[in-house]
Amino acid sequence: GESVGLHLPTLSVQEGDNSIINCAYSNSASDYFIWYKQESGKGPQFIIDIRSNMDKRQGQRVTVLLNKTVKHLSLQIAATQPGDSAVYFCAETDYGQNFVFGPGTRLSVLP
Amino acid sequence: DTGVSQNPRHKITKRGQNVTFRCDPISEHNRLYWYRQTLGQGPEFLTYFQNEAQLEKSRLLSDRFSAERPKGSFSTLEIQRTEQGDSAMYLCASSLTSGGFYNEQFFGPGTRLTVL
Repeated sequence: GESVGLHLPTLSVQEGDNSIINCAYSNSASDYFIWYKQESGKGPQFIIDIRSNMDKRQGQRVTVLLNKTVKHLSLQIAATQPGDSAVYFCAETDYGQNFVFGPGTRLSVLP
Repeated sequence: DTGVSQNPRHKITKRGQNVTFRCDPISEHNRLYWYRQTLGQGPEFLTYFQNEAQLEKSRLLSDRFSAERPKGSFSTLEIQRTEQGDSAMYLCASSLTSGGFYNEQFFGPGTRLTVL
């Protein structure tokens, strides 16, 4: 199948360790942010979202942090597993019309 | 309903030909989006529909591209006179928006277009 993100920055982590993926966004008016996971040959898969009136949101094994002062978003994955290996994108929007995606980070989980 | 579906999954065509892709969103979703993704990049917004109305188009969407959502359900994206630069993955996504409150998009598997 095809590959997603052949030349993306790569984060390599040991299985069981925690992963932190960062994203800088550009629009100070953005009020809704989403993290997606994309595996080769598949469309992006929703992981977690956060609205601008929050600075932290937790899901199952994942946490998103939002720092509006420096326009920074991060995704934390606890106890990283081999199935977490993929390309991760952040996306931002204002008014829910045009979603702007970041360049992506490849997460590689080492056994 | 198991999610967003797209057809075909792969399309190979010769330069200058027209192609049409179909997207079937999650049935209760009122918003439908089209994106284009090239290798090593994140998806780039092309256009979106609220029910059957096309509300926004990116400047990436040249006049060779047209999208429709005639009954507010499935959508088609047509590319006329294809060029090699049109080779990409075309992704469709849908979401439910009500009362001005918008939510996450669910993506289909995409249609991979190769223009020879």
